[in-house]
Amino acid sequence: TQLLEQSPQFLSIQEGENLTVYCNSSSVFSSLQWYRQEPGEGPVLLVTVVTGGEVKKLKRLTFQFGDARKDSSLHITAAQPGDTGLYLCAGARSGTSYGKLTFGQGTILTVHP
Amino acid sequence: DTEVTQTPKHLVMGMTNKKSLKCEQHMGHRAMYWYKQKAKKPPELMFVYSYEKLSINESVPSRFSPECPNSSLLNLHLHALQPEDSALYLCASSQPPSRVGQYFGPGTRLTVL
Repeated sequence: TQLLEQSPQFLSIQEGENLTVYCNSSSVFSSLQWYRQEPGEGPVLLVTVVTGGEVKKLKRLTFQFGDARKDSSLHITAAQPGDTGLYLCAGARSGTSYGKLTFGQGTILTVHP
Repeated sequence: DTEVTQTPKHLVMGMTNKKSLKCEQHMGHRAMYWYKQKAKKPPELMFVYSYEKLSINESVPSRFSPECPNSSLLNLHLHALQPEDSALYLCASSQPPSRVGQYFGPGTRLTVL
């Protein structure tokens, strides 16, 4: 059972375009984390959101946590080739063991110059 | 210092070999993790250590043996691996609980011949 549905799976855009990646679930999460991973490297934590309705901005990246804490989105404005990578959302569920994150299937983003 | 280091970066081993992967962090984190990641897929949790004690084993085959000598170090001992065990092995750390976000190392690219 895939508890965190991430979409789209692939995204190929031109430099300067905007994009949004979604993570949806029927389960409530105590926090939602977004990571970016480049080939041959480990994922890098971009942001953690913990409060329903929370919005966080990191330069051209905007992260939102749904009011019910079941979904999240990542919006990138004016994408650049350096944004290329695998984007992963991961949720920590209340009541589960320490350390167990539920990962989405990932979005492979390619930004063409 | 927000760095998690892993050695070696690449490892090629035969099915009869014994080898170890090493991970180190100096962020004072008390939770450390081993993940296995196949290409373009999300990381799969293998083990979690919390306060130097094994708290989660995701039904990993016994040919993988984790060890946490102290709060900064995490090892993964490998023995009699199979070709399907070839993958990127990632170490991560965090303050428990993981809802605050995890910091990943660059990974060890393992190839089993």
